[in-house]
Amino acid sequence: GAGVSQTPSNKVTEKGKYVELRCDPISGHTALYWYRQSLGQGPEFLIYFQGTGAADDSGLPNDRFFAVRPEGSVSTLKIQRTERGDSAVYLCASSLTRNSPLHFGNGTRLTVT
Amino acid sequence: GIQVEQSPPDLILQEGANSTLRCNFSDSVNNLQWFHQNPWGQLINLFYIPSGTKQNGRLSATTVATERYSLLYISSSQTTDSGVYFCAVPPQGGSEKLVFGKGTKLTVNP
Repeated sequence: GAGVSQTPSNKVTEKGKYVELRCDPISGHTALYWYRQSLGQGPEFLIYFQGTGAADDSGLPNDRFFAVRPEGSVSTLKIQRTERGDSAVYLCASSLTRNSPLHFGNGTRLTVT
Repeated sequence: GIQVEQSPPDLILQEGANSTLRCNFSDSVNNLQWFHQNPWGQLINLFYIPSGTKQNGRLSATTVATERYSLLYISSSQTTDSGVYFCAVPPQGGSEKLVFGKGTKLTVNP
């Protein structure tokens, strides 16, 4: 595709529910990243994939968060037992290779009520 | 971990003015990127500039890696330049993740 695509653009869920956020990176990009941005802050790193494997998941806040990229393209970020503090914009980015420019999607705005 | 400081935190300009945004970082880096987040939240990559100078239209950037800072120049600013400008660097050598500064919020008035 022309850019990084994220769906849904908005997600409202109740506390305790499970959510999945999807990211479709730029075609051919091997590196994929998830970031989270709270109001008034810069994006914060969650996890990085090189191909199918999670090369760095040090930013995941706890074990309720999990991400997969089974075929090395589309990625899904999964959040179990959502909490109100999980409310934020979840951003996906991809890059052609390591140490190359990051291209972000428009994000998924998650609201936990 | 690495510290990234951006200045000024806020900047208000009249259309047509020039400006310089600064990013200081506390450790050596092999990767530095500048981003613009528009008022609708879209993050656009402006420059990948671990060292040296690059220009793209009215924007240019310079990174002096040995002195641990980068500058983003905006000339003849337009209202569409409004938004938040972030610089981002890896927390340590070899890391693929980026640490973002708090950003500079730019408002360009007509």
